[in-house]
Amino acid sequence: SAVISQKPSRDICQRGTSLTIQCQVDSQVTMMFWYRQQPGQSLTLIATANQGSEATYESGFVIDKFPISRPNLTFSTLTVSNMSPEDSSIYLCSVERSGANTGELFFGEGSRLTVL
Amino acid sequence: QKEVEQNSGPLSVPEGAIASLNCTYSDRGSQSFFWYRQYSGKSPELIMSIYSNGDKEDGRFTAQLNKASQYVSLLIRDSQPSDSATYLCAVKRRWSNDMRFGAGTRLTVKP
Repeated sequence: SAVISQKPSRDICQRGTSLTIQCQVDSQVTMMFWYRQQPGQSLTLIATANQGSEATYESGFVIDKFPISRPNLTFSTLTVSNMSPEDSSIYLCSVERSGANTGELFFGEGSRLTVL
Repeated sequence: QKEVEQNSGPLSVPEGAIASLNCTYSDRGSQSFFWYRQYSGKSPELIMSIYSNGDKEDGRFTAQLNKASQYVSLLIRDSQPSDSATYLCAVKRRWSNDMRFGAGTRLTVKP
């Protein structure tokens, strides 16, 4: 199993500001995934971050709003830009268990954002 | 129609009973199927994965898949209070990164 650390674990932010979430994995991984879990809802994939290339965003998510960095094989950041109360959510970093496209995911502890 | 549908619950079972959790999906191209458990305030953790029709057993957990009916289920035998959590069904197309999650079923096991 992978150990995934996320920072911050929670934060309260003001409307219009931006916040960067960090994700550190204890092993090298090709892909890192960023998910959002809005209150009372399930998980939605925001984007896939590959080292050395631009992140791939899912429908409904854009780079200007959720810029992602992937500087190396163990680290990624997700920024939530120009936040509004609708961005209040839990943001989860995830990696796939080693193996070719198993689809079995490990999740970080999550970053709970509240936007006032 | 949602891509992955689950009864939101809550599903309540007595300790020692069998809990049955159900999930249907709409994408016939789905090839991989997963059950995740999420305790309140925690992140999801993988319980079971299943890739072919039939049953797959792991301890007290059995996953069942019927691709023709687009149906996945999870049975928890000898349910324990520690099994009380939200169970998320997830499906994925092969070679796709996009895992589609259901909204989850909240299970309560009463002592």
